[in-house]
Amino acid sequence: AQSVSQHNHHVILSEAASLELGCNYSYGGTVNLFWYVQYPGQHLQLLLKYFSGDPLVKGIKGFEAEFIKSKFSFNLRKPSVQWSDTAEYFCAVNLKAAGNKLTFGGGTRVLVKP
Amino acid sequence: DAGVIQSPRHEVTEMGQEVTLRCKPISGHDYLFWYRQTMMRGLELLIYFNNNVPIDDSGMPEDRFSAKMPNASFSTLKIQPSEPRDSAVYFCASSLGDRSNQPQHFGDGTRLSIL
Repeated sequence: AQSVSQHNHHVILSEAASLELGCNYSYGGTVNLFWYVQYPGQHLQLLLKYFSGDPLVKGIKGFEAEFIKSKFSFNLRKPSVQWSDTAEYFCAVNLKAAGNKLTFGGGTRVLVKP
Repeated sequence: DAGVIQSPRHEVTEMGQEVTLRCKPISGHDYLFWYRQTMMRGLELLIYFNNNVPIDDSGMPEDRFSAKMPNASFSTLKIQPSEPRDSAVYFCASSLGDRSNQPQHFGDGTRLSIL
């Protein structure tokens, strides 16, 4: 079955530390990839997306993600986190042939200690 | 610009009661999605519509759940009868166009508690 896996359920780190969240998918076809963020008590917001071209994608708030096709991965990174980055992060994938339907990973809760 | 609007923001009701959640997508968006978020199961797609027509309802948990989209600016998700295990946050999202690279825009969600 097609799936999206986020390996870390919880991450705790201090301000200024670097962050990397893993995301792997099991689709065999051409995919579009997304990272969404959900701040406490809020709705999901788009951080960044990859459709084609440069596999290194830059998003809002200093986040970036790299698509590695051979590894079926789309890991999210930020060199130096802030307390305000405390949130839950979701990786999402859709098959280009499947229209707008997204499959989300289980999410990673990130807590940044001040 | 107005985003996706959901109502109510919070709903607390007793089991057995009918619950209706409402969503107004972003004007011009032709895709609408209903999701359920729980601690145990994460974010699950329940159903989605394209041009008011249900395309995939395979995520709807059981017959107690139903969703409608009578027009391009309004959708409902109904649970009848409700059960405590339906307690969750229900999100509505919308997107534009028939290309799969369009991001979905989410509403603020309805936090549903069934007692």
